[in-house]
Amino acid sequence: KQEVTQIPAALSVPEGENLVLNCSFTDSAIYNLQWFRQDPGKGLTSLLLIQSSQREQTSGRLNASLDKSSGRSTLYIAASQPGDSATYLCAVNQAGTALIFGKGTTLSVSS
Amino acid sequence: DAGVIQSPRHEVTEMGQEVTLRCKPISGHDYLFWYRQTMMRGLELLIYFNNNVPIDDSGMPEDRFSAKMPNASFSTLKIQPSEPRDSAVYFCASSLRGQTEKLFFGSGTQLSVL
Repeated sequence: KQEVTQIPAALSVPEGENLVLNCSFTDSAIYNLQWFRQDPGKGLTSLLLIQSSQREQTSGRLNASLDKSSGRSTLYIAASQPGDSATYLCAVNQAGTALIFGKGTTLSVSS
Repeated sequence: DAGVIQSPRHEVTEMGQEVTLRCKPISGHDYLFWYRQTMMRGLELLIYFNNNVPIDDSGMPEDRFSAKMPNASFSTLKIQPSEPRDSAVYFCASSLRGQTEKLFFGSGTQLSVL
């Protein structure tokens, strides 16, 4: 059974710092992996989607990488800003199953 | 497009009462998903529809839960009777072509069953 783990559960950094969020999954047979952002009291916003054949995707200050064989993905945020404060969730997609989500990393960026 | 619209935003009810949550997906999206989010279990898929037809309801916890999609622009999730353990945030999401595509989430309904 696929399990998705995100460590740490919470992270605090000062503004301007580059940071990496981690996501690991137990079964490497995935179609794709998605990173989402969730603000308090809000729904999830899809940030990046990496297909299983890809190694990374970039959007602005965000870069997501995927190493399927080792069951890992990272979300790199460059030059963090207070507006980046949110919970970041990763989710993997497998054949015949629902998206399986990690429980997220709550990021706090202080000014 | 206004995005996925859910109502109500908050619902407080007493145990045993019927609860109905509503969702309007993004126009043109063929897939609609209902998720539940709790601190203990995170995000879990309850049911999803393709072209208004329920495809997988294996995540629906009990017979007390039911979902319908009478047309392409409206879906409901009903809990009858509600119990305190149903308290959670319920999200609706839609996508063009299923879970392999980007999902667009609504703002959720915060349900509290007393």
